Amino acid sequence: NAGVMQNPRHLVRRRGQEARLRCSPMKGHSHVYWYRQLPEEGLKFMVYLQKENIIDESGMPKERFSAEFPKEGPSILRIQQVVRGDSAAYFCASSPGQGRTNYGYTFGSGTRLTVV
Amino acid sequence: DAKTTQPPSMDCAEGRAANLPCNHSTISGNEYVYWYRQIHSQGPQYIIHGLKNNETNEMASLIITEDRKSSTLILPHATLRDTAVYYCIVRVARDRGSTLGRLYFGRGTQLTVWP
Repeated sequence: NAGVMQNPRHLVRRRGQEARLRCSPMKGHSHVYWYRQLPEEGLKFMVYLQKENIIDESGMPKERFSAEFPKEGPSILRIQQVVRGDSAAYFCASSPGQGRTNYGYTFGSGTRLTVV
Repeated sequence: DAKTTQPPSMDCAEGRAANLPCNHSTISGNEYVYWYRQIHSQGPQYIIHGLKNNETNEMASLIITEDRKSSTLILPHATLRDTAVYYCIVRVARDRGSTLGRLYFGRGTQLTVWP
């Protein structure tokens, strides 16, 4: 009974490179959420996706960040031209579906992005 | 954003009960109280949630005041592995709008269990 799988666990990128973070939701879950946690801070909501749809991206930075959840395969959070301020832990969560989140979301172990 | 207030830190002796308070004076009638915790460097873990009745599961108990303006998470017999940041979150459990995904994590309470 695999939980939410995120990879890689650690990612190092040089300034200006692209970072791709992957999230495979729990089996049967069709909703994915991305959160970012800067050092010494709480988690901040970024984006909420269903299969092939972005439902709420109000927490996404306006530039360089994008997310997708294709019909097949994992959800991808993509950061273009990374800067040092992007260094953070990025967590993905999943849930069964709209109206069925009564028991909370299941979070993955996160991807720690370090920009050097 | 966050509509809850929690103390920044608390200590508890191993084996004793840990009582973590949370104030949510502006909670709406259809908002639930959720508790998550984050053990160092791991993803948040769901603990428990409730609307107005007290709740208990294998991890913890949740006591919600009658006016619902505050609650207390109780870990009945704290262990060293319960050392974590505990987040109290209020949100609608079954909304159907685009805000479904948003959980507002404040700074939480750093609980340290000592031997």
